[in-house]
Amino acid sequence: EVQLVQSGAEVKKPGESLKISCKGSGYSFSNQWIGWVRQMPGKGLEWMGIIYPGDSDTRYSPSFQGQVTISADKSISTAYLQWSSLKASDTAMYYCARGDPFDLWGQGTLVTVSS
Amino acid sequence: EIVLTQSPGTLSLSPGERATLSCRASQSVSSSYLAWYQQKPGQAPRLLIYVTSSRATGIPDRFTGSGSGTDFTLTISRLEPEDFAVYYCQQYGSSPPYTFGQGTKLEIK
Repeated sequence: EVQLVQSGAEVKKPGESLKISCKGSGYSFSNQWIGWVRQMPGKGLEWMGIIYPGDSDTRYSPSFQGQVTISADKSISTAYLQWSSLKASDTAMYYCARGDPFDLWGQGTLVTVSS
Repeated sequence: EIVLTQSPGTLSLSPGERATLSCRASQSVSSSYLAWYQQKPGQAPRLLIYVTSSRATGIPDRFTGSGSGTDFTLTISRLEPEDFAVYYCQQYGSSPPYTFGQGTKLEIK
């Protein structure tokens, strides 16, 4: 089955670090872009950035550049989104999605940042 | 960065009616690389339309995309109960970021 499976929900404190994952299966992971999308509670979709796992070419939205790091390990068909120091405003659902445009989505990872 | 503005913010219609959703870009969308997504509560978005007018796999033909340049439209010809959701447009033609519109909520009247 072609799918993207994301890691589970996280509850963190401000200032903590976090890395969430997105594992692809059923297709050639290296050869299609993987993107990350933020959805804050009750709000719309925000495009964060994309990575091409084959060569790790990565592009960021200016809104997220320097705030998060997108990476991928093609050997295990997994993409990552990480923060070095979380803020309460990072509380959101984060989706990974494949392609250009996004034709396959993960189920989402809910990140809650609260003291 | 291309800004996409969707209208209306909320559209109230009844099953069987026709829905027309608009997406306007702040500058021309390269190669008509405009997509539409549907999102239902508690679910991930689903791709409906790509390259302005091509339906994604499994999308019924009551969904039609049209437009060019800076003005794009998603039309749902006869609303089914399962069509009531939030719809987003996205441009992916120029350099990143591949921005989304703010969404149109289609609700039952």
